[in-house]
Amino acid sequence: QVQLVQSGAEVKKPGASVKVSCKASGYTFTTTTISWVRQAPGRGLEWVGWIITYNGNTNYAQKLQGRVTMTRDTSTSTVYLELRSLTSDDTAVYYCVRRSDFFDHWGQGTLVTVSS
Amino acid sequence: IVLTQSPGTLSLSPGESATLSCRASQSVSGRYLAWYQKKPGQAPRLLIYGASSRATGIPDRFSGSGSGTDFTLTISRLEPEDFAVYYCQHYGSSPPTFGQGTKVDIK
Repeated sequence: QVQLVQSGAEVKKPGASVKVSCKASGYTFTTTTISWVRQAPGRGLEWVGWIITYNGNTNYAQKLQGRVTMTRDTSTSTVYLELRSLTSDDTAVYYCVRRSDFFDHWGQGTLVTVSS
Repeated sequence: IVLTQSPGTLSLSPGESATLSCRASQSVSGRYLAWYQKKPGQAPRLLIYGASSRATGIPDRFSGSGSGTDFTLTISRLEPEDFAVYYCQHYGSSPPTFGQGTKVDIK
C-alpha cells in the first residue's frame, strides 16, 4: 500500500534552515509528483509547492520563492523540503502528499517549530 | 482562486445529514474540486475529487456535487467518526488553494 513516511519534529531558531524528508513506498516513485502542504497552528491548509519526481522540476508557492527548495533522491524514493530564513510564521505541520492536483495520500506530518 | 466555505461550524447529532458549501471567487475549470476530512492529530484524508468522485474506501454516505463556483459536500446519516473539519480545495489552476474549513461538531 502507498505510504509516505516523514522525518521527525524539528525546533529551529529564527533565521535558521530546516530540511524535512519524505520517503515513499508502495508505488513506483517516479510516476507521481510529490507536493507539500502545511498547516500553521489554528489555521487552514496551505500549498507549499511540488516536485516532479521523474525529472526534479519544481513549482513553489509565490510567497515562499527564494526560501524553499525541494529535491528528490530516486535511489531511495525520498523527497526533501528545505526552508531557509525561518520565521515564526513558518511554524506549522508540514505534510508531504502524493500528486500535484488533488492529494490522495498524505504523510503523517512533521511539526516544525520556529522559536527563539 | 479564493474558496469560501460555509457555515464555519455545523452542530448536528449522529444520524442527521450535513450539507457543507464551498464557493469559489471564480469558476473552477473542469470541476477540479476536492474535499478532505481533517481530525485533530491526523493527516487530512481525501474524500472527493472531481467535485463528485469518491476516493478509494470512502463510504457512500459522502457525496459531492456542484460546478462553476458553487460546490457542496453532503454527509448523510452522520456517524460518530464523521465529526471533524472539512476542507475544499481547487486544483484547476496554480496555485491550488483550500477553503478555510467547516467544523462539524456534535450537538
